[in-house]
Amino acid sequence: SQTIHQWPATLVQPVGSPLSLECTVEGTSNPNLYWYRQAAGRGLQLLFYSVGIGQISSEVPQNLSASRPQDRQFILSSKKLLLSDSGFYLCACFLMGPGELFFGEGSRLTVL
Amino acid sequence: QKEVEQNSGPLSVPEGAIASLNCTYSDRGSQSFFWYRQYSGKSPELIMSIYSNGDKEDGRFTAQLNKASQYVSLLIRDSQPSDSATYLCAVRKSGANSKLTFGKGITLSVRP
Repeated sequence: SQTIHQWPATLVQPVGSPLSLECTVEGTSNPNLYWYRQAAGRGLQLLFYSVGIGQISSEVPQNLSASRPQDRQFILSSKKLLLSDSGFYLCACFLMGPGELFFGEGSRLTVL
Repeated sequence: QKEVEQNSGPLSVPEGAIASLNCTYSDRGSQSFFWYRQYSGKSPELIMSIYSNGDKEDGRFTAQLNKASQYVSLLIRDSQPSDSATYLCAVRKSGANSKLTFGKGITLSVRP
């Protein structure tokens, strides 16, 4: 079965500091991977998706970036965090067989 | 019109009652429909998927899809306090490279 690991689970960062969130998928190969953000009182917003190594599509212009250095690794980064970057960041993997999207446990970011 | 809309809620029902959650979507070309449950502080978990018009039952849960009216609903029979959570409706458009668009969610509270 597929497992999605995210880390760190929780972090508090000052405005202007860099960010790196990591997502690793086990139990599947060549997955479609996604980064979503859930801000307080708002729905899930798709930030980036990737269909393969080095292939990144951005959904929302912002100060975040994503990279996929390995087949089952997806990284979300920022050079300088804004207060508005606070939220719950979720990595997700699309499973072709059942045609369903599964989420990791999430990383909760607070920018102060 | 928002792509995926859910009643703002919150919804409160007594234990043992039927909870009815509704969702409408704007793109008539949408092909796949999902209901996720999200407990406070946790990531969303898939509870139902439906692809064709009609009803789909899984235990106490029934998903209903009406493509002509562009709505999808989730019925929870014999509601339990453990069903108290936020329920997210998600839709995948045709040819959308497996991207899901989510509604903002509705919070359900089941009173003992």
